[in-house]
Amino acid sequence: AQKITQTQPGMFVQEKEAVTLDCTYDTSDPSYGLFWYKQPSSGEMIFLIYQGSYDQQNATEGRYSLNFQKARKSANLVISASQLGDSAMYFCAMREIGNEKLTFGTGTRLTIIP
Amino acid sequence: DTGVSQDPRHKITKRGQNVTFRCDPISEHNRLYWYRQTLGQGPEFLTYFQNEAQLEKSRLLSDRFSAERPKGSFSTLEIQRTEQGDSAMYLCASSGRTGGTEAFFGQGTRLTVV
Repeated sequence: AQKITQTQPGMFVQEKEAVTLDCTYDTSDPSYGLFWYKQPSSGEMIFLIYQGSYDQQNATEGRYSLNFQKARKSANLVISASQLGDSAMYFCAMREIGNEKLTFGTGTRLTIIP
Repeated sequence: DTGVSQDPRHKITKRGQNVTFRCDPISEHNRLYWYRQTLGQGPEFLTYFQNEAQLEKSRLLSDRFSAERPKGSFSTLEIQRTEQGDSAMYLCASSGRTGGTEAFFGQGTRLTVV
C-alpha cells in the first residue's frame, strides 16, 4: 500500500529565505508520480509541481523545485526566496501509475514571517 | 476557462438530514474525483469517474454515500442520514489524461453536521 509521511506539522520561515518541506513515501510499485499541492485558507488545493519516478532530473517550476532522492524514497519541496503569500498548508501526494487515486500526507503548515 | 467549481461552499445540516453537493469539472476533463478532508488531515480518496462511469470507490464511501456523473459532465455527491462524523471538507478534482500529471481541485464544500 502506498503511504506518504510528512514529519513537519509546522514551519516558520523568514521572508526571502529558502525553505525545504520534507516528504517521504512508501510504495512497492516501480512506476509512480509524486505531487506537491498548496492549500491556502480558502481551501482550494493548488498544484505546484510533479515528479515522475523515472524522471532523471529533479522537477522545477519557478520558485519551486523538488529534491527527488529515489533510493531514500524522499521527495522534498524546496521553495526559494519565500514570500508572504507562500503561507499555507502544503501537501505531498503520490499516485501509482495505472491507479487514479492520490494518496496525501498530513501536510505541513508553512508560515512566512515578514 | 474557469477551474473546478463546487457548490455550495458551505453547508450546515442537522444530523439525519440528506445533503447533496455539486461539482462542475474543467470542461474538457473526462476524469473526476471526490475526496474528503477532515481537520488536520490530508484529503482522502472517495471515488473516481471516467466520463459517466464510476470506476473506483473507496471503502470510506459507505452505503449512505452515493455519487453520480450523468452524461459525463457535472457530478453530485449525496450523503443520506448525515452523521456528525460526516463533518468535513468535500473536495472535487478533475483531470484530462490517464496517468497524467496534475488533478485540478475545486475550493471544496465544507459540511458541518450539528
